[in-house]
Amino acid sequence: DAKTTQPPSMDCAEGRAANLPCNHSTISGNEYVYWYRQIHSQGPQYIIHGLKNNETNEMASLIITEDRKSSTLILPHATLRDTAVYYCIVRSNNAGNMLTFGGGTRLMVKP
Amino acid sequence: DSGVTQTPKHLITATGQRVTLRCSPRSGDLSVYWYQQSLDQGLQFLIQYYNGEERAKGNILERFSAQQFPDLHSELNLSSLELGDSALYFCASSGLGATDTQYFGPGTRLTVL
Repeated sequence: DAKTTQPPSMDCAEGRAANLPCNHSTISGNEYVYWYRQIHSQGPQYIIHGLKNNETNEMASLIITEDRKSSTLILPHATLRDTAVYYCIVRSNNAGNMLTFGGGTRLMVKP
Repeated sequence: DSGVTQTPKHLITATGQRVTLRCSPRSGDLSVYWYQQSLDQGLQFLIQYYNGEERAKGNILERFSAQQFPDLHSELNLSSLELGDSALYFCASSGLGATDTQYFGPGTRLTVL
């Protein structure tokens, strides 16, 4: 699976948009970009995923560049409960489909 | 609530002992994954089962084994425990499609003293 690079930490003011970048320059054509987050020591929580097109759901938006080498997760109105470690994962559709977690970005939402 | 359940929530045991962690997947999911999260290694994939059969293996130690039963629940067995096995153990479940999302359980925190 392609490796991802994320900033280790970011701060965001409550109520503002949080934009979390991810670089995956070695992504191949059949690999999806997934985002999960982990609040404290809870189980990772699925947020969103995409292949080529931008995606939006009730939690977030995912913007994937045209060359697919990077993406941005957008939390439109961050709240204190969004403080967590956010993981960007590139996943192939090979047999197994395991997730390879990197270090993630520790997002701190501040009042 | 992801729909994936794990028991127990916490487990404290001594070195050299054996423990069993249990996972029940979401209704309809045939695939179960086990992950380990320790302070120094981060989240690591251990093993995957699909409909009772082992499908993929990660960095799982020989002292660890898993199985998936006909009712699709899975158990992770950890034996000859060492201090370094102290970690959070997460189970996830999914379908088998290429885009099937994995949903994680709340985890079992294992402490080896």
